[in-house]
Amino acid sequence: GAVVSQHPSWVICKSGTSVKIECRSLDFQATTMFWYRQFPKQSLMLMATSNEGSKATYEQGVEKDKFLINHASLTLSTLTVTSAHPEDSSFYICSARSSSPYNEQFFGPGTRLTVL
Amino acid sequence: LAKTTQPISMDSYEGQEVNITCSHNNIATNDYITWYQQFPSQGPRFIIQGYKTKVTNEVASLFIPADRKSSTLSLPRVSLSDTAVYYCLVGDRVGSSASKIIFGSGTRLSIRP
Repeated sequence: GAVVSQHPSWVICKSGTSVKIECRSLDFQATTMFWYRQFPKQSLMLMATSNEGSKATYEQGVEKDKFLINHASLTLSTLTVTSAHPEDSSFYICSARSSSPYNEQFFGPGTRLTVL
Repeated sequence: LAKTTQPISMDSYEGQEVNITCSHNNIATNDYITWYQQFPSQGPRFIIQGYKTKVTNEVASLFIPADRKSSTLSLPRVSLSDTAVYYCLVGDRVGSSASKIIFGSGTRLSIRP
């Protein structure tokens, strides 16, 4: 299947700093990318949907000023956790959906964020 | 989206067949049933999708009764590497441009030697 990568795979930062996570579709163009968050022993929670060239659509309860999403190209979306706090520590997973007609969706390997 | 209910956890042994059942009483006419697998510290992976009756691929089988209010994922002859969380989803067909994947609680499957 198609490959979606995330960088970094893990990151440790101090409270109050901002962290950027990249999501790339390596061998296909993704008009839509999704960002999820997963706390330990819990399911994935959809945070936002981003379409290339337009503003992201955030799920209810997700602060758009806290989690900045940029989808500037058909192969790259970034999630920036601004002014991170320990409660933002989580596993962040992106997925990318290929263009029509296939519309297949592939998940990245995830990024583990630890905020000290 | 139709809500799904599945066991929180299951245990089995290597070589056994494992069946995980998912209830989705409010499934809509156009909804598909999809299962994903997630290993620890990895992203989910698509396993199988079906609409009715039975679907089989190289990884698993999916059994869907006529009323479609439940479904059963069947993993033949499991191995230790099948230890993972399995998610049952009901909604748009994977591959639909309108689909947005929402995960339920999942079933944590543990395989023992």
